[in-house]
Amino acid sequence: DIQMTQSPASLSASLEEIVTITCQASQNIGNWLAWYQQKPGKSPQLLIYGTTSLADGVPSRFSGSRSGTQYSLKISRLQVEDIGIYYCQQASSTPLTFGSGTKLEIK
Amino acid sequence: EIQLQESGPGLVKPSQSLSLTCSVTGYTITSGYDWSWIRKFPGNKMEWMGYISYSGSTNYNPSLKSRISITRDTSKNQFFLQLNSVTTEDTATYYCARRDGYYVLDAWGQGASVTVSS
Repeated sequence: DIQMTQSPASLSASLEEIVTITCQASQNIGNWLAWYQQKPGKSPQLLIYGTTSLADGVPSRFSGSRSGTQYSLKISRLQVEDIGIYYCQQASSTPLTFGSGTKLEIK
Repeated sequence: EIQLQESGPGLVKPSQSLSLTCSVTGYTITSGYDWSWIRKFPGNKMEWMGYISYSGSTNYNPSLKSRISITRDTSKNQFFLQLNSVTTEDTATYYCARRDGYYVLDAWGQGASVTVSS
């Protein structure tokens, strides 16, 4: 199975701050990487697919990037509605695997 | 707009089978894509359990392969999860979701909380 190592486990940041979450894949997954946001009490929602493509309706302050087998999610100006848990997921092969999640809070 | 909704018992006894239904509206499950089950454990770990494709083929997580079955009823536009011989380790929130052409999960149900306890 492909392991996805996600960091940090939790993050507290101020409004309007830039936030970055990273995932390291245990092997080459190309651009087969997605990010999800799970708001409190809700189901996960797709944010980014194909490493860099925003899902429908996702604000442009979210962006994704890649350097080798390290993938990053950036929130350019943190807003209150961004709180929740963020997960990466590799879509390169089954079994699909997720990162361990990053809990994002407002400082 | 596609919507998915899970239903089933919230409490299952150890050694019994867990059975959940995912009802899909707004898209016909035989039209395309794959239809997955995912679970989230207490502590936030997420696990993909498997899928049934639009053609009816299945793909399971090897960690569950001996215990899991995903089937469907195309007349009702539903698909099902059965997990056998459950233990307390199977306590989780179970989600059904659609896996799209980019192999990501682009539509999710609201989740069904299942507790395994005697």
